[in-house]
Amino acid sequence: EAGVAQSPRYKIIEKRQSVAFWCNPISGHATLYWYQQILGQGPKLLIQFQNNGVVDDSQLPKDRFSAERLKGVDSTLKIQPAKLEDSAVYLCASSSIGPGTDTQYFGPGTRLTVL
Amino acid sequence: AQTVTQSQPEMSVQEAETVTLSCTYDTSESDYYLFWYKQPPSRQMILVIRQEAYKQQNATENRFSVNFQKAAKSFSLKISDSQLGDAAMYFCAYRSRGSGSRLTFGEGTQLTVNP
Repeated sequence: EAGVAQSPRYKIIEKRQSVAFWCNPISGHATLYWYQQILGQGPKLLIQFQNNGVVDDSQLPKDRFSAERLKGVDSTLKIQPAKLEDSAVYLCASSSIGPGTDTQYFGPGTRLTVL
Repeated sequence: AQTVTQSQPEMSVQEAETVTLSCTYDTSESDYYLFWYKQPPSRQMILVIRQEAYKQQNATENRFSVNFQKAAKSFSLKISDSQLGDAAMYFCAYRSRGSGSRLTFGEGTQLTVNP
């Protein structure tokens, strides 16, 4: 079974530029998560989708971050414009729904450096 | 809100020895899940072990086991017969039982395995 795919793996941009990250979850997983992991810290949830709908985006900086999950499969996370403090690893995870499907599986992450 | 605390930023162990990583959490909920994830330098978050709060029996996965003390809100990870490949950052995480709930992570413990 293929895991969670993310691209690109690395991205370097100047502040005030825009950037987009892509995630393809495990086939059949209805729930998709984007986490931000700043160096030296644990991951923090930015947004959670269930199928096409947003379940939780309470910690998403909506003035600069946006995310979508068209057709309930792939997802894109965008930052516009980027700030220095956005330098982090962006992790995508997915999980099934229903009893006994509590485990989230993570992709390899995208490491963003904002100069 | 739930919080997860890992009080050991760094730990080291000799190869083939046993090490225990500590984790405490704070919650008012009675039913939830707890996880240990491993994050090697590649940044891929890998599930090590999970525990369901309503189960009194401690989870075990090969050389990894947990000591779950629900009343004390403690969830430690024991690694037996440590191997060089166990070297990584280890994160403790909490998740409410509701389907699709976010993971709340601790700050992590960096484990070094000495040959």
